[in-house]
Parts: sequence; structure tokens; C-alpha cells
Amino acid sequence: DTGVSQDPRHKITKRGQNVTFRCDPISEHNRLYWYRQTLGQGPEFLTYFQNEAQLEKSRLLSDRFSAERPKGSFSTLEIQRTEQGDSAMYLCASSPRGSGDEKLFFGSGTQLSVL
Amino acid sequence: GENVEQHPSTLSVQEGDSAVIKCTYSDSASNYFPWYKQELGKRPQLIIDIRSNVGEKKDQRIAVTLNKTAKHFSLHITETQPEDSAVYFCARGGTSYGKLTFGQGTILTVHP
Repeated sequence: DTGVSQDPRHKITKRGQNVTFRCDPISEHNRLYWYRQTLGQGPEFLTYFQNEAQLEKSRLLSDRFSAERPKGSFSTLEIQRTEQGDSAMYLCASSPRGSGDEKLFFGSGTQLSVL
Repeated sequence: GENVEQHPSTLSVQEGDSAVIKCTYSDSASNYFPWYKQELGKRPQLIIDIRSNVGEKKDQRIAVTLNKTAKHFSLHITETQPEDSAVYFCARGGTSYGKLTFGQGTILTVHP
């Protein structure tokens, strides 16, 4: 499968613990996005990278959330001191350079459960 | 604002019937309108999209129409099949690349 891959698929953690998720975008895509989806809702934008630069962050992204894309390839999303309200599906997406770069290709997501 | 309202929240049709899902938006700067299909436990997948310079786009059994003056766009699925059963999300974009605002979703059930 040459699509967007995310790891792990599922993560169960206790409140207060830190968690880190990884996303590997489609190799020729220079834009990478993190979205969050809760049950019964559409995905909500969290943050966006163009190459290694983080160009936009949502107000939803509290100080406990940090994302990196150090070499412009894979990205990590870390949540510190997790809270029960952080439980959600965290989706990564990538898009190609140039015309049509709004076309998002999503990964299968990481389902986070905070107990 | 950037909100997108999507209706209906659930839609049940018989196989072979048509299904229509509608979305409205408020941001006049929106110029990109994709539709995503998400099957249970799977990733959202782009099924069709339209830009603000056209009013209609069709791809086999699915079509999208856009009325930019009224700020609404719709997904039309004809000759529905059970495998069309899924959650469908509309979205708007254009103010920032890849920053899409999604609707709340429509659960489509196609009965054989």
C-alpha cells in the first residue's frame, strides 16, 4: 500500500500520560496535515506542514499538542498529559504539490482512548 | 465563519433510487468543495470535488452541483447500490491549502 500510513492504529493510555503518533505521507507529497475526528463528526483541522515548516495551527491545538516534521518526510504528533477529552481518531493526510493540492489523501488514523 | 452545514444527517433509500445530500457554507472566499466517503472503521476517501468556477461535475453515478450565489452545493448519487452505504462528508476549502472545513456527515443506507 503506497498510501498514507499511520502508526499505531490504536492507542489506549491512562490520563496524564504522553503519547506520540507517527504519519508517513505519500512520498511525492510535500504537504502534510493532521486532523482529529470524534464519533459522529467530520474531521477537524489541527495543523499543516509544507515540507518541514509548520505553517498553520488550529486554535483547537492546545499547548499540550506538538507536531513535527523534521526532514519534510514523516511527521509525529505528541500529546502531553493526556485528558479524556483527547480521545478521538487522529487522522493524517497529505496532498501533492501544485494544482489540486487541496486534494487530501487520508491515512487510516490512530484511534486514541484515554482512560 | 467557516462552518459548513450538512443535511440530512441520515438518509435511507432503496437500491436503485437516487440520493441527494446538501451542504451550505457562509465564507465567500471558499472556492473548493470536495466530498468524502467514509466506510465504517476506514479512512475518508475523496469521491468527487468541484471548484467555484464550474457549476456541475459528474463522474459516472455521482455528481456535484454548486450554487455559489446561494452558497450551497449538493452531492447526487443515482442508481444507488448497497455498497454506497457509508458516511458522506462535504467540505469547503480555499482560504488555506488543504485546510478543509467538514460538514457533520450524512449516514447513507441503501437497502437491497
